[in-house]
Amino acid sequence: EIVLTQSPGTLSLSPGERATLSCRASQSVSSSYLAWYQQKPGQVPRLLMYGTSNRATGIPDRFSGSGSGTDFTLTISRLEPEDFAVYYCQQYGASTWTFGQGTKVEIK
Amino acid sequence: EVQLVESGGGLVQPGGSLRLSCAASGFTFNNYDMHWVRQAPGKGLEHVAGIRTDGGSTYYGSSVKGRFTISRDNAKNTLYLQMGSLRAEDMALYYCARRKISAFDIWGRGTMVTVSS
Repeated sequence: EIVLTQSPGTLSLSPGERATLSCRASQSVSSSYLAWYQQKPGQVPRLLMYGTSNRATGIPDRFSGSGSGTDFTLTISRLEPEDFAVYYCQQYGASTWTFGQGTKVEIK
Repeated sequence: EVQLVESGGGLVQPGGSLRLSCAASGFTFNNYDMHWVRQAPGKGLEHVAGIRTDGGSTYYGSSVKGRFTISRDNAKNTLYLQMGSLRAEDMALYYCARRKISAFDIWGRGTMVTVSS
């Protein structure tokens, strides 16, 4: 089973700053099968990115994704107040799906 | 409106069983693979099980394999999760999710399963 490790665990930033979230896989992941989700307290996870760099419906362009192989990145170019949340990466491979443990983006 | 609504959660004793349901609406249910994902209180997301459009193939996370069974009734637009031999570590909010291009694009609000004596 592929293990996804996200870093940092917590990112303390101010609105307007750039956020860079990392997701590292224990084995190579197809770029087509790497996704990112946002979850706010008490809310349902929301799909942000799929296929590494494709924004889901309604996701603003300040969110971008990149990476390949075992290293993937979610970037939020300028943090808005509504972006402070927990972010999870997720991969699919060999009929298994796994999530990273999450990165919390908090207001500094 | 595309919607998934879970039900069937509740309090169950260790070793007990429970069946969750997920009613789908607003989309052609039998065109999509469907999955269950859970989240223990204060913890991250964990994939539990998945099923292909026609129910012909199923997939399970290692922690539930052999204890849980996923199924679907396309005539009723409903997804199920039969859970058995429940343990304290199975206590979580269980989400139903629609799979699209290997990601989960639509999620229900979840149903809570509490395992306690």
